[in-house]
Amino acid sequence: NAGVTQTPKFQVLKTGQSMTLQCAQDMNHEYMSWYRQDPGMGLRLIHYSVGAGITDQGEVPNGYNVSRSTTEDFPLRLLSAAPSQTSVYFCASRQGARYGYTFGSGTRLTVV
Amino acid sequence: EDKVVQSPLSLVVHEGDTVTLNCSYEVTNFRSLLWYKQEKKAPTFLFMLTSSGIEKKSGRLSSILDKKELFSILNITATQTGDSAIYLCAVEKGNYGQNFVFGPGTRLSVLP
Repeated sequence: NAGVTQTPKFQVLKTGQSMTLQCAQDMNHEYMSWYRQDPGMGLRLIHYSVGAGITDQGEVPNGYNVSRSTTEDFPLRLLSAAPSQTSVYFCASRQGARYGYTFGSGTRLTVV
Repeated sequence: EDKVVQSPLSLVVHEGDTVTLNCSYEVTNFRSLLWYKQEKKAPTFLFMLTSSGIEKKSGRLSSILDKKELFSILNITATQTGDSAIYLCAVEKGNYGQNFVFGPGTRLSVLP
């Protein structure tokens, strides 16, 4: 099993550009989430999904869209990148409510 | 406003010492509390706590939850240099789960 795979690992965007961060898991987990991690602020939840076709907003959803058309994939779209979105982004999946998350290795995004 | 507070934010000890990391929380509709260890990249899951007073153990690590006083502790005995990491506390809240609030983390440095 590959676990949770995130691509790309690094990305530099110009302000106003859009892009999609990819996340795929091969563990048949129903629950998936996207977090951003900024220095001194811990991890903050952007969006999460409890199954294919079901998504909801977390603490910091503005500027981001998600969709969950399959169990395996949970892409995060940045609509119009801003310098405030410079961060490390983690995708995570979870087998069920009684388990912890498995995190991907992260995407370091810089918006200039 | 939901919040998770961890203390201390930073801690330096020597190998063999015992450490206690603290996590207190105020959230709406508490569901569970999770501890993670983050070294260079992605956090890895340590414990999930849902009931007060029941200690979870894994080797030299143990954790307990107090739902009345709204806090949890993570103990590490006989620390080793490999325990150096950021320890994250996350609280799951809300009516439907999957909505986590993370604390800022405790950075533990274990010196030889």
